[in-house]
This record gives sequence, structure tokens and C-alpha cells, in this order.
Amino acid sequence: NAGVTQTPKFQVLKTGQSMTLQCAQDMNHEYMSWYRQDPGMGLRLIHYSVGAGITDQGEVPNGYNVSRSTTEDFPLRLLSAAPSQTSVYFCASSYVLAGTYEQYFGPGTRLTVT
Amino acid sequence: QQQVKQSPQSLIVQKGGISIINCAYENTAFDYFPWYQQFPGKGPALLIAIRPDVSEKKEGRFTISFNKSAKQFSLHIMDSQPGDSATYFCAASSAGGGADGLTFGKGTHLIIQP
Repeated sequence: NAGVTQTPKFQVLKTGQSMTLQCAQDMNHEYMSWYRQDPGMGLRLIHYSVGAGITDQGEVPNGYNVSRSTTEDFPLRLLSAAPSQTSVYFCASSYVLAGTYEQYFGPGTRLTVT
Repeated sequence: QQQVKQSPQSLIVQKGGISIINCAYENTAFDYFPWYQQFPGKGPALLIAIRPDVSEKKEGRFTISFNKSAKQFSLHIMDSQPGDSATYFCAASSAGGGADGLTFGKGTHLIIQP
């Protein structure tokens, strides 16, 4: 299994540009999430999905859109990039089994907005 | 509003010593408390997790202590090794398993000196 994959690894955008960060998982996990990681801030939840066709907002959703048309894919769209969106973005997938819950994180996408 | 507070921000421990990282939470609906380990350039990886029905969980050199009444939990790393040098995050979730994502602390940068 490849686990959770993210593309691209690095991206530089100009203010106002749009782009999509790709995330895919091959573990058949129901749940998927997007986080951003900023120095000294930990990881903050942007959006999450509890299954195909179902998404919801996390702690910092403004400026981002998501959709979940399949179990495997959960892309994150930046509609009009701003310097404040410079960050490292992590996608995660997870399952719940007998009270055990584990999130598997992808390797991250480092985004710079100039 | 930070729902999970983590301390210290950074920690230096001698090889063979005990590393202790503390977290406190506010939301009494949280029912799952994991610790994640992150190496530079990598995504976080689950280290150990606990539910509030137990006060301690041990896996190898890693132990979580949980105090429900104080709303605090901590990670102890026994016989700390240079390979343990990483950033550690505590986290918490509700909804019976974290389908709605994790709330992270801000992280502790741990350095184990040889």
C-alpha cells in the first residue's frame, strides 16, 4: 500500500492564483482530513470528510474548498491564494475500529504564496 | 481559543534520561488522546494513544499518564535516545473516535543529547 499520497511536494504561487492540492489514500479509510502546520502553531484542521459526498469545516476553513467524490481522493482547493496561506499542508486518512482510531498522515505539501 | 495546551515548547534531555511532555485540555467532550511524533520533512506519525477510561498506557519506552479530573495528560519517554529527537504533538478528539478530526497542541521540540 502507498498509504496517503500528496502532490505536489512543493509549490510557489502568486497572490490571487488558484490551485488544487491533491490527496489520495489506498487504505479504504472512511475519514479524511486536511491540516495546515505553521511554526509554533501545531496542526490546525481545515476541512474533514466522514465519507464520500460528506464534508465539513474545521478550525480554519476560510479560503479553502474541498469535495469528496470518491473514498480515495480528497482534494483541497485554494480559490485565491494569499500570503497568509503560506504553510505546510498535511492530508490524513483514518478509520475507527473497536474504539481504536488512528490517523495516517501524508508527507505534506509545502506551499509558498508571494 | 486553544483547546489543547502543550508544554514545554522545547526540551533538552541527556541520553538515558526521562523526557516528560505535558498537555491540558478544556473540552470535556474529548474522549481520545493521541501523541504524534514528527521528524523534519515528514508527516506526523501516531506514537501512542489513550482513552479516558484508563489512567496509564505503556508501549515500550513510551507511557501516557492521564488525569481525567485535572483534564491533563502527559507523555513520558524512558531511557531517551538520540533517535527520539523529534517534535512531539499531543492531540484530542471527540465524536467517539475522531471522525471530525483532531485538535493538536502546539508541539514540543525534543533534543536528546548523546
